[in-house]
Amino acid sequence: GQQLNQSPQSMFIQEGEDVSMNCTSSSIFNTWLWYKQDPGEGPVLLIALYKAGELTSNGRLTAQFGITRKDSFLNISASIPSDVGIYFCAARGGTSYGKLTFGQGTILTVHP
Amino acid sequence: SAVISQKPSRDICQRGTSLTIQCQVDSQVTMMFWYRQQPGQSLTLIATANQGSEATYESGFVIDKFPISRPNLTFSTLTVSNMSPEDSSIYLCSVKLAGVESLQFFGPGTRLTVL
Repeated sequence: GQQLNQSPQSMFIQEGEDVSMNCTSSSIFNTWLWYKQDPGEGPVLLIALYKAGELTSNGRLTAQFGITRKDSFLNISASIPSDVGIYFCAARGGTSYGKLTFGQGTILTVHP
Repeated sequence: SAVISQKPSRDICQRGTSLTIQCQVDSQVTMMFWYRQQPGQSLTLIATANQGSEATYESGFVIDKFPISRPNLTFSTLTVSNMSPEDSSIYLCSVKLAGVESLQFFGPGTRLTVL
């Protein structure tokens, strides 16, 4: 089946540093979504990408839909302590009614 | 987006019992889903809850273990039946909104511990 390989698995950074994480696959997808999950909460949608090559920002977050449609990255600039959490990539192939496939998550720890 | 609520938010249950989790959305949605997130893991789709018909289950999940109801466009339930400690997980309701089907939103989750 379709799989997303998300890396890194975890990151320990200092406040103010930039962060980059990515997801790759051997399959082609039509939509990429990035979520953040805080402890004890459900995932919250951060950014949605619909077109190959698309670059989208949401505040300090920037994500790109890879040109091959098989990968995506998420950057967080000038990290702050509240950026701590688990970040998941998710992707959908086929139509908008297709199922989401999730990456394994990146655990982000930010030291003040 | 949509406001999604789940009840209960957490529960501790005894082996062999069943628990029904409720999901309520504040607007009509085209699709509702149930996911499981085992400790330290990613999200796994259990089934798609279909309004007015039987749910569509993913490989490895069966109706006898995870019966699902969806009586209308804003409400669904998931039952975890005959529970064992391996069922200890977070169970998440998720929805797609009409008109923005590419986006998918999640409820706060139900944290289940089975002793």
